[in-house]
Amino acid sequence: QLQLQESGPGLVKPSETLSLTCTVSGGSISSSSYYWGWIRQPPGKGLEWIGSIYYSGSTYYNPSLKSRVTISVDTSKNQFSLKLSSVTAADTAVYYCARLNLLWLQIHFDYWGQGTLVTVSS
Amino acid sequence: QSVLTQPPSASGTPGQRVTISCSGSSSNIGSNTVNWYQQLPGTAPKLLIYSNNQRPSGVPDRFSGSKSGTSASLAISGLQSEDEADYYCAAWDDSLNGFWVFGGGTKLTVL
Repeated sequence: QLQLQESGPGLVKPSETLSLTCTVSGGSISSSSYYWGWIRQPPGKGLEWIGSIYYSGSTYYNPSLKSRVTISVDTSKNQFSLKLSSVTAADTAVYYCARLNLLWLQIHFDYWGQGTLVTVSS
Repeated sequence: QSVLTQPPSASGTPGQRVTISCSGSSSNIGSNTVNWYQQLPGTAPKLLIYSNNQRPSGVPDRFSGSKSGTSASLAISGLQSEDEADYYCAAWDDSLNGFWVFGGGTKLTVL
């Protein structure tokens, strides 16, 4: 059974960089059938896609966050990571990592991590 | 403000059929498939419907999805108390260089 687990600091100071890692177990991050992505959810609000990455390193980012986001992949560790720079209180959210299934071009996020709350505060 | 528009709330009594709408535009729902996610309180979203009307293994057939033009709908028949959750629609948007968009979510209350 595929599992995704987010890890990283739960508290980040304003103007600093938020860094999270997603560890994938029960499957290979190097499969050609999947992208891997980050989605966030501010407290009491809806979901916002941050970006996605292929095992080759190809990335797609949300245009509204693109200038501050970097997503990278480490296939040797079966992990992918998120960096969000110059954070403000508006970046406080639960951050989820998820698998984007490309099978038969019926593209959808099918497996999600449990999520990790990141609070931006001094 | 979300790119895809959903009603903030919906409700029904056990056994009833409820529908949740999701309205978009030609660059997202109008040209790409729609996925639906169920988020129970305090948990991660769970895939409910993909490619407009496909159910993943394990999702009861009480849940169904449809799409017409730039709108989509999620229907839940035989409503049960455990269906009380937030529901989100999602689609790929072809504008700019392309990006995923979600609806604002609909909180379903089982009365």
